[in-house]
Amino acid sequence: DGGITQSPKYLFRKEGQNVTLSCEQNLNHDAMYWYRQDPGQGLRLIYYSQIVNDFQKGDIAEGYSVSREKKESFPLTVTSAQKNPTAFYLCASTTGTGEKTQYFGPGTRLLVL
Amino acid sequence: GENVEQHPSTLSVQEGDSAVIKCTYSDSASNYFPWYKQELGKGPQLIIDIRSNVGEKKDQRIAVTLNKTAKHFSLHITETQPEDSAVYFCAASRSGIKAAGNKLTFGGGTRVLVKP
Repeated sequence: DGGITQSPKYLFRKEGQNVTLSCEQNLNHDAMYWYRQDPGQGLRLIYYSQIVNDFQKGDIAEGYSVSREKKESFPLTVTSAQKNPTAFYLCASTTGTGEKTQYFGPGTRLLVL
Repeated sequence: GENVEQHPSTLSVQEGDSAVIKCTYSDSASNYFPWYKQELGKGPQLIIDIRSNVGEKKDQRIAVTLNKTAKHFSLHITETQPEDSAVYFCAASRSGIKAAGNKLTFGGGTRVLVKP
């Protein structure tokens, strides 16, 4: 998984609860990304960050929030405003210059109780 | 924005046969086209990529072709093996353009089953 770790592997959310998914990389990559994957579908971009303390909304940012206080960390919070959070969440990172290949973490599966 | 269409959604092949997956993209400014393989419950793994200045790239049993004029690229897997069974995703991006954020737009995926 290329030096990207995501935790936990499985996460359960109760109604009205905020939950935070962790993503850490030791690749010294500048840019980090969060994707959502629903069963049998492709990946959709939630948020991305090209440098520390800066991030932009992706295609489906509503109901999610992020922070980028450190280069190696990009946590995603699934808020209570996200009414359909059950999905597989994938974090990725890439270098800021040269090769732009995105490397993915192992994912976190979020389930609603 | 970019839109990537991928076909077929499922593909069943006999071991040893070839598999071909096709993708089309809409943004003529896209210049980087990676292919990922995803096994059940895992994150996608890059298997091959191609840039817009190249028409074809090969890595052992895997090859990718790109037709910029038609905005079309394809993945070819020869001599398929049972371990090739997985979901494959194509993607496109405007790589190297900071304002574009190096964002990848993914196709919907192709579930490949290689029958022994």
